[in-house]
Amino acid sequence: QITLKESGPTLVKPTQTLTLTCTFSGFSLSTSGVGVGWIRQPPGKALEWLALIYWDDDKRYSPSLKSRLTITKDTSKNQVVLTMTNMDPVDTATYYCAHKKLYCSGGSCYWYYFHYWGQGTLVTVSS
Amino acid sequence: DVVMTQSPLSLPVTLGQPASISCRSSQSLVHSDGNTYLNWFQQRPGQSPRRLIYNVSNRDSGVPDRFSGSGSGTDFTLKISRVEAEDVGVYYCMQGTHWPLTFGGGTKVEIK
Repeated sequence: QITLKESGPTLVKPTQTLTLTCTFSGFSLSTSGVGVGWIRQPPGKALEWLALIYWDDDKRYSPSLKSRLTITKDTSKNQVVLTMTNMDPVDTATYYCAHKKLYCSGGSCYWYYFHYWGQGTLVTVSS
Repeated sequence: DVVMTQSPLSLPVTLGQPASISCRSSQSLVHSDGNTYLNWFQQRPGQSPRRLIYNVSNRDSGVPDRFSGSGSGTDFTLKISRVEAEDVGVYYCMQGTHWPLTFGGGTKVEIK
């Protein structure tokens, strides 16, 4: 059974750096075709994809936030860490991590996006 | 970036009646691998998103068969054949064909 759980501070001050950890179980990030992504949702607003890291350490970022984001993985701990620098009140949101994998069946393969999500963690940016 | 445009923003529905949500993309979502990575998510109040449909029309396990997805290219639809009380929430489409991944703005389904 796949589970993911986000952890980190609930309150950060403007200009500070946010560090969030996604701890997962039921899969390994050393397995070919597996990835973990981060998605956020400001209160009452839509979902926004932030970053994603693959088993082979390939990383993808939202272009609008790329200069502020870093995603890393610790395969031995089953964790993915997202850091976001220079936090601002507009970054107040619930941050989710989610699982992605390459699924192959009958000779064809496709990407299986975000079937499993964490519970989310609300981060408030305020002085 | 591929813009995902959902309509309507709000959808009041009578219990037992059908509902339909549209999602249009600014570019074709057909991937070079031949797949179309259009997903639908349901987010009930206070909960994490839950995927309902992947690759346009494939229903996830445990999803009631009153939910169905259709479409191609740039035009996609999520249909609920008979709305039940538990279907209240916000529905999002998401494309996974082009980087960056993008979500629609959401459609709020509520009971009349």
